[in-house]
Amino acid sequence: AQTVTQSQPEMSVQEAETVTLSCTYDTSESNYYLFWYKQPPSRQMILVIRQEAYKQQNATENRFSVNFQKAAKSFSLKISDSQLGDTAMYFCAFSISNFGNEKLTFGTGTRLTIIP
Amino acid sequence: DSGVTQTPKHLITATGQRVTLRCSPRSGDLSVYWYQQSLDQGLQFLIQYYNGEERAKGNILERFSAQQFPDLHSELNLSSLELGDSALYFCASSGEPLRELFFGEGSRLTVL
Repeated sequence: AQTVTQSQPEMSVQEAETVTLSCTYDTSESNYYLFWYKQPPSRQMILVIRQEAYKQQNATENRFSVNFQKAAKSFSLKISDSQLGDTAMYFCAFSISNFGNEKLTFGTGTRLTIIP
Repeated sequence: DSGVTQTPKHLITATGQRVTLRCSPRSGDLSVYWYQQSLDQGLQFLIQYYNGEERAKGNILERFSAQQFPDLHSELNLSSLELGDSALYFCASSGEPLRELFFGEGSRLTVL
């Protein structure tokens, strides 16, 4: 079974600073997807960034980037120039890419607070 | 707006009762997933349907059941409700091949 571990229950950072959220996962599969989802106080689940395991290049979306270390099974999220609107729960998620078994397995989340 | 619609947004009911949560996936998405999020917890996978058929099952209680209809909307039925069933229930949909899950806004269930 796949597991996802987020070891930082809470983090806080000053506005405009850079913060990195950690995520490790465990799987015997070689082909899979990794995601970071954001859940603001509105409780909506919003995709932040996605990484396919077969791609060596780290994904980037504007101020958000990942450090994907496949051998170490690590998938950290870096938020640059943090903004107040980044305050949210962040969930790391994993999915294998076998047809018919695409469910996402989520970590327990990291509560990020951006301090003005 | 993710394109996934869930109703109702809020629901308050009593222990022992039965409720039905409804989900309409994004246009064209064949897969529907149900997740449960208890207070300040992560998301627990309940069940997945693909084009009307059950595809994967998580830790879904026997008191809970779901189905996906020919028009691809899905319903999650929760019966003999207990206080511990109070949670936010998310529906999500995805296309093929999997790229991401698109989540609805959730249905918040409160059991008193």
